[in-house]
Amino acid sequence: DTGVSQDPRHKITKRGQNVTFRCDPISEHNRLYWYRQTLGQGPEFLTYFQNEAQLEKSRLLSDRFSAERPKGSFSTLEIQRTEQGDSAMYLCASSLATNFGGLALETQYFGPGTRLLVL
Amino acid sequence: RKEVEQDPGPFNVPEGATVAFNCTYSNSASQSFFWYRQDCRKEPKLLMSVYSSGNEDGRFTAQLNRASQYISLLIRDSKLSDSATYLCVVNVLHGSSNTGKLIFGQGTTLQVKP
Repeated sequence: DTGVSQDPRHKITKRGQNVTFRCDPISEHNRLYWYRQTLGQGPEFLTYFQNEAQLEKSRLLSDRFSAERPKGSFSTLEIQRTEQGDSAMYLCASSLATNFGGLALETQYFGPGTRLLVL
Repeated sequence: RKEVEQDPGPFNVPEGATVAFNCTYSNSASQSFFWYRQDCRKEPKLLMSVYSSGNEDGRFTAQLNRASQYISLLIRDSKLSDSATYLCVVNVLHGSSNTGKLIFGQGTTLQVKP
């Protein structure tokens, strides 16, 4: 399968613990996104990378959250001192952004997500 | 006010029915528009992009009205397999390039019954 993969698929942790999620994008995709989705809501943007550079972070991303994409390939999302409100599905998406008349055209492909439950 | 608004439904329709979903967006700088489909406990998958001229893909037709900041999706001859949540999605232009950040609506749930 050459799609976006995420690991783990499910994570149960106790409040206060740290967790780390991994996302492997589609090969050669230059952009990688993280979103969070809670029950009954659409996904909400958290952050994104173009190659290894983190270009935008949402205000939703508190200082307990950190994301990296060290070599421009896979990415990790770490949540420190988890809280019950962090329980959600964390989705990763990747895209190949190409420049067309100054605008970047892209289609984002999502991974299966990591479902986090904080007890 | 949410940036992208959808009626969450659920829409319960019989097989073979035609059903339409609507969506409004608040940011006039929105540049790209999409409908994604999400099955229960699965990731969103791109259903179709939406263009100003309107576009059709089999039983699915999408329309965009920039003046009214309104997007629609029409499904004809509904199948049981169309049961899912349909997410209206916009991409907002920032500066001179497209950042790629997608803004999702809450989603509209469709249940097609035999």
